[in-house]
Amino acid sequence: NAGVTQTPKFRVLKTGQSMTLLCAQDMNHEYMYWYRQDPGMGLRLIHYSVGEGTTAKGEVPDGYNVSRLKKQNFLLGLESAAPSQTSVYFCASSSWWQSYNEQFFGPGTRLTVL
Amino acid sequence: AQTVTQSQPEMSVQEAETVTLSCTYDTSENNYYLFWYKQPPSRQMILVIRQEAYKQQNATENRFSVNFQKAAKSFSLKISDSQLGDTAMYFCAFMKHKDGDSNYQLIWGAGTKLIIKP
Repeated sequence: NAGVTQTPKFRVLKTGQSMTLLCAQDMNHEYMYWYRQDPGMGLRLIHYSVGEGTTAKGEVPDGYNVSRLKKQNFLLGLESAAPSQTSVYFCASSSWWQSYNEQFFGPGTRLTVL
Repeated sequence: AQTVTQSQPEMSVQEAETVTLSCTYDTSENNYYLFWYKQPPSRQMILVIRQEAYKQQNATENRFSVNFQKAAKSFSLKISDSQLGDTAMYFCAFMKHKDGDSNYQLIWGAGTKLIIKP
Protein backbone atom coordinates (compact mmCIF):
# COMPACT_ATOMS: atom_id res chain seq x y z
CA ASN A 1 0.00 0.00 0.00
CA ALA A 2 1.26 3.44 -0.93
CA GLY A 3 -0.98 5.13 1.67
CA VAL A 4 -1.55 8.78 0.81
CA THR A 5 0.34 10.27 -2.11
CA GLN A 6 0.47 13.85 -3.35
CA THR A 7 1.40 15.25 -6.74
CA PRO A 8 3.48 17.34 -7.29
CA LYS A 9 5.97 17.59 -4.43
CA PHE A 10 7.14 21.09 -5.35
CA ARG A 11 5.72 23.84 -7.53
CA VAL A 12 6.48 27.47 -8.26
CA LEU A 13 3.73 29.67 -9.67
CA LYS A 14 3.48 33.26 -10.75
CA THR A 15 0.71 35.42 -9.30
CA GLY A 16 -2.51 34.81 -11.18
CA GLN A 17 -1.63 31.37 -12.48
CA SER A 18 -3.76 28.35 -11.71
CA MET A 19 -2.90 24.83 -10.70
CA THR A 20 -4.33 21.64 -9.26
CA LEU A 21 -2.85 19.50 -6.51
CA LEU A 22 -3.74 15.83 -6.59
CA CYS A 23 -4.15 13.62 -3.55
CA ALA A 24 -4.67 9.89 -3.84
CA GLN A 25 -5.22 7.24 -1.17
CA ASP A 26 -5.44 3.49 -1.51
CA MET A 27 -6.88 2.69 1.92
CA ASN A 28 -10.54 3.01 0.89
CA HIS A 29 -11.00 5.85 3.35
CA GLU A 30 -14.23 7.82 3.32
CA TYR A 31 -12.83 11.08 4.63
CA MET A 32 -10.22 13.23 2.94
CA TYR A 33 -8.78 16.58 3.95
CA TRP A 34 -6.62 19.38 2.62
CA TYR A 35 -4.52 21.37 5.09
CA ARG A 36 -2.01 24.14 4.71
CA GLN A 37 1.00 24.59 6.97
CA ASP A 38 2.59 28.00 7.44
CA PRO A 39 5.71 28.80 9.50
CA GLY A 40 4.99 29.16 13.21
CA MET A 41 1.48 27.81 12.87
CA GLY A 42 -0.18 24.49 13.10
CA LEU A 43 -2.00 22.95 10.19
CA ARG A 44 -5.19 24.66 9.11
CA LEU A 45 -8.01 22.91 7.33
CA ILE A 46 -8.86 24.26 3.87
CA HIS A 47 -11.57 21.87 2.64
CA TYR A 48 -12.64 18.36 3.43
CA SER A 49 -14.80 15.59 2.03
CA VAL A 50 -16.83 12.96 3.84
CA GLY A 51 -17.42 10.87 0.74
CA GLU A 52 -17.34 10.67 -3.04
CA GLY A 53 -19.10 13.62 -4.61
CA THR A 54 -19.23 15.68 -1.41
CA THR A 55 -17.02 18.54 -0.24
CA ALA A 56 -17.21 21.15 2.49
CA LYS A 57 -15.34 24.24 3.63
CA GLY A 58 -12.84 24.17 6.43
CA GLU A 59 -11.23 26.97 8.37
CA VAL A 60 -9.45 28.77 5.49
CA PRO A 61 -11.31 27.96 2.22
CA ASP A 62 -11.01 31.29 0.38
CA GLY A 63 -9.07 31.12 -2.88
CA TYR A 64 -9.33 27.33 -3.14
CA ASN A 65 -11.72 24.86 -4.70
CA VAL A 66 -11.87 21.10 -4.37
CA SER A 67 -13.44 18.14 -6.05
CA ARG A 68 -13.88 14.49 -5.16
CA LEU A 69 -15.16 12.70 -8.22
CA LYS A 70 -13.65 9.39 -7.14
CA LYS A 71 -13.42 8.03 -3.62
CA GLN A 72 -9.67 7.62 -3.80
CA ASN A 73 -8.86 11.09 -5.16
CA PHE A 74 -9.22 14.59 -3.72
CA LEU A 75 -8.16 17.54 -5.85
CA LEU A 76 -7.27 21.00 -4.59
CA GLY A 77 -7.40 23.83 -7.10
CA LEU A 78 -6.06 27.36 -7.05
CA GLU A 79 -7.78 29.41 -9.75
CA SER A 80 -5.68 32.57 -9.42
CA ALA A 81 -2.68 32.06 -7.19
CA ALA A 82 -1.61 34.78 -4.76
CA PRO A 83 1.63 35.15 -2.76
CA SER A 84 -0.41 34.57 0.42
CA GLN A 85 -0.98 31.01 -0.79
CA THR A 86 2.72 30.21 -0.53
CA SER A 87 2.66 27.32 1.90
CA VAL A 88 3.12 23.60 2.36
CA TYR A 89 -0.05 21.69 1.55
CA PHE A 90 -0.91 18.39 3.16
CA CYS A 91 -3.57 15.93 2.21
CA ALA A 92 -4.90 13.44 4.74
CA SER A 93 -7.45 10.65 4.81
CA SER A 94 -9.27 8.75 7.52
CA SER A 95 -11.78 5.99 7.96
CA TRP A 96 -15.29 6.50 9.26
CA TRP A 97 -15.09 3.14 10.98
CA GLN A 98 -12.38 4.14 13.41
CA SER A 99 -13.78 5.69 16.58
CA TYR A 100 -10.82 8.01 16.93
CA ASN A 101 -10.64 8.80 13.22
CA GLU A 102 -6.86 8.70 12.88
CA GLN A 103 -5.76 10.77 9.93
CA PHE A 104 -3.01 9.53 7.61
CA PHE A 105 -0.99 12.18 5.87
CA GLY A 106 0.68 12.52 2.52
CA PRO A 107 4.26 13.85 2.19
CA GLY A 108 3.16 17.40 1.42
CA THR A 109 3.50 19.80 -1.52
CA ARG A 110 5.63 22.91 -1.19
CA LEU A 111 4.05 25.69 -3.22
CA THR A 112 5.70 29.05 -3.84
CA VAL A 113 3.77 31.87 -5.47
CA LEU A 114 5.92 34.69 -6.79
CA ALA B 1 -14.34 27.00 19.40
CA GLN B 2 -11.54 24.72 20.38
CA THR B 3 -7.96 25.99 20.61
CA VAL B 4 -4.66 24.24 21.20
CA THR B 5 -1.63 26.00 22.68
CA GLN B 6 1.96 24.83 22.70
CA SER B 7 3.95 27.31 24.75
CA GLN B 8 7.44 26.04 23.90
CA PRO B 9 8.51 27.06 20.38
CA GLU B 10 11.82 25.20 20.67
CA MET B 11 13.56 22.82 23.06
CA SER B 12 16.87 21.01 23.02
CA VAL B 13 18.21 18.20 25.19
CA GLN B 14 21.13 15.83 25.19
CA GLU B 15 20.75 12.37 23.78
CA ALA B 16 19.42 9.86 26.36
CA GLU B 17 17.80 12.57 28.48
CA THR B 18 14.09 12.82 29.17
CA VAL B 19 12.14 15.74 27.76
CA THR B 20 8.56 16.90 28.28
CA LEU B 21 6.63 18.94 25.74
CA SER B 22 3.62 20.85 26.98
CA CYS B 23 0.21 21.32 25.41
CA THR B 24 -2.93 22.95 26.72
CA TYR B 25 -6.29 23.13 25.03
CA ASP B 26 -9.61 24.79 25.45
CA THR B 27 -12.92 23.11 24.79
CA SER B 28 -16.41 22.77 26.17
CA GLU B 29 -16.67 19.21 24.87
CA ASN B 30 -16.60 16.29 27.28
CA ASN B 31 -15.68 13.56 24.82
CA TYR B 32 -12.73 14.11 22.54
CA TYR B 33 -9.37 12.81 21.43
CA LEU B 34 -5.91 14.27 21.76
CA PHE B 35 -2.95 13.46 19.60
CA TRP B 36 0.75 14.10 19.35
CA TYR B 37 2.17 14.11 15.85
CA LYS B 38 5.83 14.19 14.90
CA GLN B 39 7.10 15.93 11.76
CA PRO B 40 10.76 15.17 11.00
CA PRO B 41 12.73 17.14 8.38
CA SER B 42 11.24 14.86 5.73
CA ARG B 43 7.94 16.71 6.38
CA GLN B 44 5.99 13.47 6.79
CA MET B 45 3.42 13.80 9.58
CA ILE B 46 3.59 10.76 11.86
CA LEU B 47 1.21 9.89 14.68
CA VAL B 48 3.16 9.40 17.92
CA ILE B 49 0.44 8.79 20.49
CA ARG B 50 -3.25 9.40 21.12
CA GLN B 51 -5.44 9.72 24.17
CA GLU B 52 -9.19 9.31 24.54
CA ALA B 53 -10.59 11.85 26.98
CA TYR B 54 -12.86 9.31 28.66
CA LYS B 55 -9.87 7.17 29.64
CA GLN B 56 -8.22 8.12 32.91
CA GLN B 57 -5.14 6.04 32.24
CA ASN B 58 -2.37 7.88 30.45
CA ALA B 59 -1.42 6.48 27.06
CA THR B 60 2.06 5.07 26.50
CA GLU B 61 3.89 3.94 23.38
CA ASN B 62 7.35 2.58 24.14
CA ARG B 63 9.49 5.64 25.04
CA PHE B 64 6.58 8.03 24.58
CA SER B 65 3.99 8.72 27.27
CA VAL B 66 1.50 11.42 28.03
CA ASN B 67 0.37 13.20 31.16
CA PHE B 68 -3.31 13.89 30.56
CA GLN B 69 -4.94 16.22 33.07
CA LYS B 70 -8.53 16.62 31.91
CA ALA B 71 -9.61 19.15 34.53
CA ALA B 72 -6.61 21.33 33.77
CA LYS B 73 -6.99 20.72 30.01
CA SER B 74 -3.37 19.76 29.77
CA PHE B 75 -1.80 17.08 27.58
CA SER B 76 1.99 16.88 27.83
CA LEU B 77 4.25 14.46 25.99
CA LYS B 78 7.20 12.83 27.71
CA ILE B 79 9.99 11.30 25.67
CA SER B 80 12.28 9.04 27.66
CA ASP B 81 15.81 8.04 26.65
CA SER B 82 15.72 10.54 23.79
CA GLN B 83 17.39 9.57 20.54
CA LEU B 84 18.83 11.59 17.67
CA GLY B 85 15.98 10.36 15.50
CA ASP B 86 13.51 12.12 17.79
CA THR B 87 14.66 15.47 16.40
CA ALA B 88 11.53 16.90 14.78
CA MET B 89 8.63 19.28 15.11
CA TYR B 90 6.01 17.97 17.50
CA PHE B 91 2.40 19.00 17.15
CA CYS B 92 -0.40 18.58 19.64
CA ALA B 93 -3.85 18.20 18.12
CA PHE B 94 -7.46 17.98 19.33
CA MET B 95 -10.43 16.23 17.79
CA LYS B 96 -14.05 16.12 18.90
CA HIS B 97 -15.52 12.71 19.59
CA LYS B 98 -17.23 11.04 16.67
CA ASP B 99 -20.89 12.01 16.41
CA GLY B 100 -22.95 11.04 13.39
CA ASP B 101 -21.48 12.37 10.17
CA SER B 102 -19.69 15.35 11.69
CA ASN B 103 -16.41 16.41 10.28
CA TYR B 104 -13.58 15.21 12.48
CA GLN B 105 -11.41 18.22 12.06
CA LEU B 106 -8.09 18.23 13.84
CA ILE B 107 -7.32 21.47 15.66
CA TRP B 108 -3.55 21.92 15.80
CA GLY B 109 -1.11 23.69 18.05
CA ALA B 110 1.70 25.75 16.53
CA GLY B 111 4.28 23.06 17.26
CA THR B 112 7.45 22.64 19.30
CA LYS B 113 10.78 22.17 17.57
CA LEU B 114 12.72 19.51 19.47
CA ILE B 115 16.43 19.12 18.94
CA ILE B 116 18.29 16.14 20.36
CA LYS B 117 22.00 16.87 20.70
CA PRO B 118 24.62 14.11 20.53
